[in-house]
Parts: sequence; C-alpha cells; structure tokens
Amino acid sequence: AQSVTQPDIHITVSEGASLELRCNYSYGATPYLFWYVQSPGQGLQLLLKYFSGDTLVQGIKGFEAEFKRSQSSFNLRKPSVHWSDAAEYFCAVGANREGDMRFGAGTRLTVKP
Amino acid sequence: SQTIHQWPATLVQPVGSPLSLECTVEGTSNPNLYWYRQAAGRGLQLLFYSVGIGQISSEVPQNLSASRPQDRQFILSSKKLLLSDSGFYLCAWSVKGSLAGANVLTFGAGSRLTVL
Repeated sequence: AQSVTQPDIHITVSEGASLELRCNYSYGATPYLFWYVQSPGQGLQLLLKYFSGDTLVQGIKGFEAEFKRSQSSFNLRKPSVHWSDAAEYFCAVGANREGDMRFGAGTRLTVKP
Repeated sequence: SQTIHQWPATLVQPVGSPLSLECTVEGTSNPNLYWYRQAAGRGLQLLFYSVGIGQISSEVPQNLSASRPQDRQFILSSKKLLLSDSGFYLCAWSVKGSLAGANVLTFGAGSRLTVL
C-alpha cells in the first residue's frame, strides 16, 4: 500500500516569512497527491491536488506545491504566511484503487507575530 | 449541494461501554465513505472505507467495526470501548471518478470521543 511521510511534526514561522512543509510518499506508480488543512477541532479542507501535467500546482489561500518524482516529494509552499495560516497540514496520497486514501501524520504550523 | 453530517460531536464514555458514531451524506449517490481516527500526535489513520452498501474494507485490526446499511450512511461501532479508542473520529466521502484514488475527500466536522 502507499504511504506518506511528513518529517516535521511542528514548524514555527514568523508572520510574513516564507513557508515550506515537506511531504514524501511511497508508491509504485504515479500517485495522486493532496494537501489538506485542518483548523483546531474541525474537519479537513482541501488546499490543492496533483494528478498529472504541470508539476507545480496552485491551491487556495496562496499555497502551491511541487511534485518531484525523482525525490518522491510533494512539498507545500507559501511565500508569505499570515497568522490565519496557523493550523495542521496533512499530505495525502491516493492509490489506483477506489476508496484508498492515506494521510501523513501531519505538520502543525505555528505563526509568530 | 452535498453535505456531510456526523454525530454526536462530542462523546464521553466509560471503558467497556458500546459505541455508535453515525455519518450521513446528502446530495449525492453511491459515494465512497471513510472513517479516519486522529489520535493526539499520531496524525490521521484510515480505519475503514466503503465503496458500496455492505462493502467494508478494514485497514487495521482493532476494537472497532463499521457498517454501511444504506447508500449514504456509514456507522462506526464498538461493543466494548477501550481507553485507547479515545480520539477524534472523522467521516469523509468522495465521488467515484474515472481515476480511482484521485477523488477529493470531503470531511465532516468530526466526533471527539473520550473513553474514561
């Protein structure tokens, strides 16, 4: 089965600074990759997804992610974080099998004023 | 538009008691349905998923079971809760698309279970 690793459990950045959250996946074929965000006590919301084509994908709230097959990575970036970006971020990978979606352990983002 | 409902939102149960968490989806038919558990510091763990009525795939051996008695209803159950069952349980759904596994999940608001 596919798997996802998010190496950073917790990241703190200053407001206005750039952000990169790391995600590495393991899957034998071309994966379907996602980033979700979760505000405290809430469900998850989709930020962006990659299926094929351009390896740099744009999402909501000014986020982007880049698929790098050679590194099995799908890192999430934002040029300038806002205090409202403080949340937990999850990378996910879908296999070529209906219904099977795996998530990473998540990275909690704290934004300092 | 499609909506997903989960209840109860919060539940405190003694060890050894039964559990039933319910999830329903409106505005769509024949969805894929999922139960995830989010334990503190342990990320999001897939517990069960279902691609149709009566079709349940279990991902980890555990004290929990799932059922799908109707197309848009997904129930998470336990006969006897353990302390380790505490966590935040999330139901989600996705459409079935031409690319299996490429379907975006839409999550419910979650059910927080505390087992004492």
